[in-house]
Amino acid sequence: GAVVSQHPSRVICKSGTSVKIECRSLDFQATTMFWYRQFPKKSLMLMATSNEGSKATYEQGVEKDKFLINHASLTLSTLTVTSAHPEDSSFYICSANLERETYEQYFGPGTRLTVT
Amino acid sequence: GQNIDQPTEMTATEGAIVQINCTYQTSGFNGLFWYQQHAGEAPTFLSYNVLDGLEEKGRFSSFLSRSKGYSYLLLKELQMKDSASYLCAVIDSNYQLIWGAGTKLIIKP
Repeated sequence: GAVVSQHPSRVICKSGTSVKIECRSLDFQATTMFWYRQFPKKSLMLMATSNEGSKATYEQGVEKDKFLINHASLTLSTLTVTSAHPEDSSFYICSANLERETYEQYFGPGTRLTVT
Repeated sequence: GQNIDQPTEMTATEGAIVQINCTYQTSGFNGLFWYQQHAGEAPTFLSYNVLDGLEEKGRFSSFLSRSKGYSYLLLKELQMKDSASYLCAVIDSNYQLIWGAGTKLIIKP
């Protein structure tokens, strides 16, 4: 099956610092990766769509200068939360498409970010 | 606007059957997914429907009616481990995935 990994699984950082989250497709090449955030008891919120070799497409209301996305290869996308604040504390999840025909998304295990 | 509706929470008994409904109004339709998400974990794929009808996969089945903008997820022989949130998601005409808020399913012994 298609496996997506994320690192780190949990991170605690101080307000004002930056945090990088990695998303890797382990056994397939992912042309497109997606970044979501999820607040407790809320649905997934798409932040951005990341395409290999090009700039990410951000959803309305998501600050691209705050949430930097780099999709440097077909197996790696990174999300950097810059100058993090407590309100950025959330569950961040990445996913990747395996086949365009079904658009099924395979999710990474998620990263729990806590900003103190 | 685009909208996906599903009940916020449902309760069922171990061993029983439960049906989780999802209705959608989207700009176009290119398929519907059901995902399961346990607390603190990422969603996992359950089913994909693009044609009308019932898709059965073990204890889980998913139904789609495109004319009614309606789907349901049917869970049989409920087990305690089925306690989770169940997310309905639709691919619209722009091939964007639109997510419902999820249904929290509570299984009681």
